[in-house]
Amino acid sequence: NAGVTQTPKFQVLKTGQSMTLQCAQDMNHNSMYWYRQDPGMGLRLIYYSASEGTTDKGEVPNGYNVSRLNKREFSLRLESAAPSQTSVYFCASSDPLAGLTDTQYFGPGTRLTVL
Amino acid sequence: AQSVTQLGSHVSVSEGALVLLRCNYSSSVPPYLFWYVQYPNQGLQLLLKYTSAATLVKGINGFEAEFKKSETSFHLTKPSAHMSDAAEYFCAVDHGSSNTGKLIFGQGTTLQVKP
Repeated sequence: NAGVTQTPKFQVLKTGQSMTLQCAQDMNHNSMYWYRQDPGMGLRLIYYSASEGTTDKGEVPNGYNVSRLNKREFSLRLESAAPSQTSVYFCASSDPLAGLTDTQYFGPGTRLTVL
Repeated sequence: AQSVTQLGSHVSVSEGALVLLRCNYSSSVPPYLFWYVQYPNQGLQLLLKYTSAATLVKGINGFEAEFKKSETSFHLTKPSAHMSDAAEYFCAVDHGSSNTGKLIFGQGTTLQVKP
């Protein structure tokens, strides 16, 4: 099993450009999450999807959109990138229905720089 | 609302010394608590989790944490630090919403291990 995979690993954008970060998991998990990690701020939840066909905002959703394409895939889109979106982005998945709260499994991250 | 505070953004210990990383939480319901570790340029991986079965939780790589309800704490310890323990450590608490699996992360503590 590959676990959680993310593409691309690195990306440099100019202000105003758009891009989509891809995430896929092969663990048959119901829930998927997108976080951003900034120095000194831990991980902050951008969006999550509790199950296929549903998405909800997290703590910092402004400037982002998501799509839960199917049970395996959860993409994050930046429509018009801004320097404030320079960050490391992590995708994670879990299966909270398997227990009251289950472990989240993380991808390796995407390092995004917006100039 | 649930929240997590990690005391100390940087902790430095000598190889072979005790490791103590502090985490305090607030939660309106009995919490589920997690410690994750992030090695340089990698995603997060689970060290251990507390789900009310036992107050002393043992994790991977010799780490353990004790849930103390009276102190609202979940500190991470390891009796003897190894150079390979150098990483960033995150404490997290479940959001409290049923069946979403959402976690709230602390700001992180960077552990430095000196030879």
